[in-house]
Amino acid sequence: DIQMTQSPSSVSASVGDRVTITCRASQAISSWLAWYQQTPGKAPKLLIYAASSLQSGVPSRFSGSGSGTDFTLTINSLQPEDFATYYCQQAKSFPLTFGGGTKVEIK
Amino acid sequence: QVQLQQWGAGLLKPSETLSLTCAVYGGSFSDYHWSWIRQPPGKGLEWIGEINHSGRTKSNPSLNSRVTISVDTSKKQFSLKLSSVTAADTAVYYCASRLENWLDPWGQGTLVTVPS
Repeated sequence: DIQMTQSPSSVSASVGDRVTITCRASQAISSWLAWYQQTPGKAPKLLIYAASSLQSGVPSRFSGSGSGTDFTLTINSLQPEDFATYYCQQAKSFPLTFGGGTKVEIK
Repeated sequence: QVQLQQWGAGLLKPSETLSLTCAVYGGSFSDYHWSWIRQPPGKGLEWIGEINHSGRTKSNPSLNSRVTISVDTSKKQFSLKLSSVTAADTAVYYCASRLENWLDPWGQGTLVTVPS
């Protein structure tokens, strides 16, 4: 199985800040990476696919980059609705696997 | 636009079989793969397995022998059965559609509790 490691596990930030979350794959996955946002009590929501493509309807303050083993999710100008947990997921091979999550908390 | 609605029993006893169903509304049923994912309370996400419209399945080797995923194309529904549950199987279970390799959208989730 491909292991996905996210860092940090949590981050405290203020409205308007820029937040960067990283995800590392245990082997090269090209651009087969997605990012999801989960708010408490809700199902995850797809934000970014193919490492850097923005899902329809997702605000442009979210962006993704990277390929191979190292990936980044950036949230520019953090908004109140962005306080949530973010997960990366590799889609290179089965079983599909997720990172452990990064909780973005209010400072 | 695909929407998913899921249901199933929320409280089980150890050794019983978990059974959940997910109904698909909108979209073309045959275009997608249909997945199950779970999330233990306060923890991360684990992909359980998936099925396509013709019944071809893939499942996570960590659960492989206990998982059965089936599809009813006439009803546009797919189902998960997980046998011999224990407290370790307590989780919110989600259904989701997979187009290419991305999981979107997801069902609303069902909390399944197995007391120890």
